[in-house]
Amino acid sequence: GESVGLHLPTLSVQEGDNSIINCAYSNSASDYFIWYKQESGKGPQFIIDIRSNMDKRQGQRVTVLLNKTVKHLSLQIAATQPGDSAVYFCAENIGRGSTLGRLYFGRGTQLTVWP
Amino acid sequence: NAGVTQTPKFQVLKTGQSMTLQCAQDMNHEYMSWYRQDPGMGLRLIHYSVGAGITDQGEVPNGYNVSRSTTEDFPLRLLSAAPSQTSVYFCASSYYRAHEQYFGPGTRLTVT
Repeated sequence: GESVGLHLPTLSVQEGDNSIINCAYSNSASDYFIWYKQESGKGPQFIIDIRSNMDKRQGQRVTVLLNKTVKHLSLQIAATQPGDSAVYFCAENIGRGSTLGRLYFGRGTQLTVWP
Repeated sequence: NAGVTQTPKFQVLKTGQSMTLQCAQDMNHEYMSWYRQDPGMGLRLIHYSVGAGITDQGEVPNGYNVSRSTTEDFPLRLLSAAPSQTSVYFCASSYYRAHEQYFGPGTRLTVT
């Protein structure tokens, strides 16, 4: 079975609110965790990543949190906008030496932003 | 830069037919990969390559072949199409880190 999964398949938020998308993983050997955004009819787009030796990483309006104790990953989107509506995937890169690692994706969470 | 391009965008095959999905990138990326995405599922890795002349299997390689003769191109071959290969196929590339990948627009394949 897949080692990367998601707690909720859908998430609806109002424009301007903060969004939190959660992800659970089971493989302790993963050295990178990554979030991708996929808009309808398009390929996934890289958002942000975090190394396994970090707890938190911030980008533009996004923050990724990693809790290795409970093997949990989350993506926080501040001031969610209609353009944020998409499917969000978490993925893990397994194996030391990221150039040779494999990427395993979770099933995704559909985020819908209401005006 | 065109980024990652894939052709065709749509394809319908009959069971047993063969075809090649094309993927090209103009970013001089060393790492390239192929994924399939089924409805309601995440992406699953088929094959990947860390450079010209080097390929390796991913999670679901059966029924697919790849080769990497140049840095730019990474074609995916279906040897004998089966209905179970109906899916959307994505090609991706990255400079050196497998996780920060740029994806193409996808090829929607239907096998009847």
